[in-house]
Amino acid sequence: GAVVSQHPSRVICKSGTSVKIECRSLDFQATTMFWYRQFPKQSLMLMATSNEGSKATYEQGVEKDKFLINHASLTLSTLTVTSAHPEDSSFYICSASRLALGETQYFGPGTRLLVL
Amino acid sequence: DQQVKQNSPSLSVQEGRISILNCDYTNSMFDYFLWYKKYPAEGPTFLISISSIKDKNEDGRFTVFLNKSAKHLSLHIVPSQPGDSAVYFCAASRSGNTGKLIFGQGTTLQVKP
Repeated sequence: GAVVSQHPSRVICKSGTSVKIECRSLDFQATTMFWYRQFPKQSLMLMATSNEGSKATYEQGVEKDKFLINHASLTLSTLTVTSAHPEDSSFYICSASRLALGETQYFGPGTRLLVL
Repeated sequence: DQQVKQNSPSLSVQEGRISILNCDYTNSMFDYFLWYKKYPAEGPTFLISISSIKDKNEDGRFTVFLNKSAKHLSLHIVPSQPGDSAVYFCAASRSGNTGKLIFGQGTTLQVKP
């Protein structure tokens, strides 16, 4: 299957700071990337859908000004958590898909964010 | 509004036996269903999928059954192996295999040696 990486794998930051998480498709060009978050023992919740070169589509209840998504190339999407607060602590996972080929989503390993 | 539900948070089976993981959905517009396997602190790994035009799909030890009238799908693992121990998520999509995925809450499977 295709390989998707995320960086960093774990980050601890102070409340009020911003954190950037990168999602890369290593061996294919991803027309679409998705960002999810998962709280402990809960499901993966879709935050936003990101298409290369266009604005991200956010799910209801997700603040677009707080979670900035940039999909500047076919292999890289970034999620920036701005002015992070302890309640933003979560496991953030991205997935990538070559929608043009009708393939399923391939997930990254996730990023554990802890806001103190 | 939980459109995809996995009502059993955990399941324990003996090695070599069958594991049956269940998933129910409420949205009749879903036309594609997937199962993912996830280890702690890792991203989900795709296992198997099924289109709504089928009622069964098999891949090695994994078989997914879809009952559209009951809005129910299940994943069968035969025979179960200790390495299968993980959290299993079912997911559904409205746009074939290219749309956004709605995940269930997950079922933790433990396969005992």
